[in-house]
Amino acid sequence: NAGVTQTPKFQVLKTGQSMTLQCAQDMNHNSMYWYRQDPGMGLRLIYYSASEGTTDKGEVPNGYNVSRLNKREFSLRLESAAPSQTSVYFCASSETGRGNTEAFFGQGTRLTVV
Amino acid sequence: GNSVTQMEGPVTLSEEAFLTINCTYTATGYPSLFWYVQYPGEGLQLLLKATKADDKGSNKGFEATYRKETTSFHLEKGSVQVSDSAVYFCAPLIQGAQKLVFGQGTRLTINP
Repeated sequence: NAGVTQTPKFQVLKTGQSMTLQCAQDMNHNSMYWYRQDPGMGLRLIYYSASEGTTDKGEVPNGYNVSRLNKREFSLRLESAAPSQTSVYFCASSETGRGNTEAFFGQGTRLTVV
Repeated sequence: GNSVTQMEGPVTLSEEAFLTINCTYTATGYPSLFWYVQYPGEGLQLLLKATKADDKGSNKGFEATYRKETTSFHLEKGSVQVSDSAVYFCAPLIQGAQKLVFGQGTRLTINP
């Protein structure tokens, strides 16, 4: 059972470079999320997608874009990376509209921008 | 809006000690309440949940009771183990909501 799969696991970028973080889930969930985790800050929501074809901003969307390519895949793009974007990024998915369902998380992508 | 306040960490205990991690929330409606755990180097995974007032969620010796009158969902364990060392996150989820909101997390270290 794959669950939520993120790639890559580790990445080092130079300031100004671009990259896309990939996320795929095989649980047929409607909702998908991108979070970043910084020391002492917990998880902060970057963007989310409640269903295929829709995306919405979370708490900290600046500097990021997302694409809900289909029901399975939700990618996060950094167009021009900055050192402030050094963080661990987590993708998650859940079923929408059912208040007692859990979210499933990927293993995370550790991104360093130098 | 919805928000969560968790007990600040880090928390360090000796093995077999009693654990409480406090969590209070602000939410409209009647949220389901979750505790997630993150072991070193891993993503978050569900530890336990409660979906209505006075429900008690339990798993791996951990318990938390949904207290609607105090809007709290404190996590407890009677006797912690070294393997419980992790970061713990409280999260309310409003029924039908389209996004999850997490507390800042509490880092727990258990010493042998």
